[in-house]
Amino acid sequence: DTEVTQTPKHLVMGMTNKKSLKCEQHMGHRAMYWYKQKAKKPPELMFVYSYEKLSINESVPSRFSPECPNSSLLNLHLHALQPEDSALYLCASSQEGQGSSPLHFGNGTRLTVT
Amino acid sequence: DQQVKQNSPSLSVQEGRISILNCDYTNSMFDYFLWYKKYPAEGPTFLISISSIKDKNEDGRFTVFLNKSAKHLSLHIVPSQPGDSAVYFCAAGYNFNKFYFGSGTKLNVKP
Repeated sequence: DTEVTQTPKHLVMGMTNKKSLKCEQHMGHRAMYWYKQKAKKPPELMFVYSYEKLSINESVPSRFSPECPNSSLLNLHLHALQPEDSALYLCASSQEGQGSSPLHFGNGTRLTVT
Repeated sequence: DQQVKQNSPSLSVQEGRISILNCDYTNSMFDYFLWYKKYPAEGPTFLISISSIKDKNEDGRFTVFLNKSAKHLSLHIVPSQPGDSAVYFCAAGYNFNKFYFGSGTKLNVKP
């Protein structure tokens, strides 16, 4: 079982909807990430939170809005998405302040925008 | 422009033989390299990593080799098992948090 939990597993939303993706980890990691993966493509970095502060935004459109309420939780708020935003959204976490450490991924949310 | 490349989309190997998966990168700032395995409908699972101060790291059946001058790394799996059949991603990073992934190689280990 993965130690990073993402909900929901699947989400279908219209272009005018507002929805949120949720991610939770209890490994004590202080860095959390959102990645987006399209079919047959590599995961692409979207956002990084370090100690609950946004440290990296890879020029993601404002219709994606991340939030880190505490060190265990990471949300991705979605509004006015386009069909091309349909993808697998992966959350990950890693240790901070101990040199490089691997990312631990959740199983993702499969998002379809209609 | 993709900074991490896996040029072989697929690889087929007989059970018990060695699997060699390759990865090339372009950014000389990268100082930490990882391999992930991904089954359908699951997130990537971390396998093994190597920092740029080393040229080899071993963990059981998995060994990663790093050639910094060639900007190339490889993952060796020996002996290969049918349960190793999955998509393998290499990733590279620097500044601790900025990781970039290759497009993946689908490994099929035949019984």
